[in-house]
Amino acid sequence: RKEVEQDPGPFNVPEGATVAFNCTYSNSASQSFFWYRQDCRKEPKLLMSVYSSGNEDGRFTAQLNRASQYISLLIRDSKLSDSATYLCVVNRNDMRFGAGTRLTVKP
Amino acid sequence: DAGITQSPRYKITETGRQVTLMCHQTWSHSYMFWYRQDLGHGLRLIYYSAAADITDKGEVPDGYVVSRSKTENFPLTLESATRSQTSVYFCASTSGVSTDTQYFGPGTRLTVL
Repeated sequence: RKEVEQDPGPFNVPEGATVAFNCTYSNSASQSFFWYRQDCRKEPKLLMSVYSSGNEDGRFTAQLNRASQYISLLIRDSKLSDSATYLCVVNRNDMRFGAGTRLTVKP
Repeated sequence: DAGITQSPRYKITETGRQVTLMCHQTWSHSYMFWYRQDLGHGLRLIYYSAAADITDKGEVPDGYVVSRSKTENFPLTLESATRSQTSVYFCASTSGVSTDTQYFGPGTRLTVL
């Protein structure tokens, strides 16, 4: 079993849609959590950190459920520019990346 | 503001050859990391370094060697390249502890024939 698991998708949604990604992790000792965004053939870039209380950044909302070892990312009012692969990242002593969920937003 | 750079960006080599991938950062970040990214696996940590002259193994270190004589440079060497090392290699750095946000270089696409 992989340490960080994500649904690979692809998710194909129309502009303006709301889309949610889920991620589960296996190591209960994990300390910090992130969502990274990776565009095709580019490097990953931090989208947002994920806090136990949940956090929001504009159209993006991230939530963490430590009891269920589950992280989520919600994107509201999807834009064409949101098309990318979203990586769930879990950190205990080092960063462990999920394989990513691919999102395509269509006009 | 160069940030973090990698060279070469693309490399084709043959099985058994030695290859060195370079990583350079201008932020004086303490921590530096090498990852490989393969389809279906996500990014996997090869080696990391907490400071100059301090390196440690990650999840998939076999077949790789690193050094860090200067804070800003963290080269990755494949001593005898194998086809299974065909991948995209990303270098990253962070200013604080290893759990802080990591900033990635643009990647090196390596093909081993």
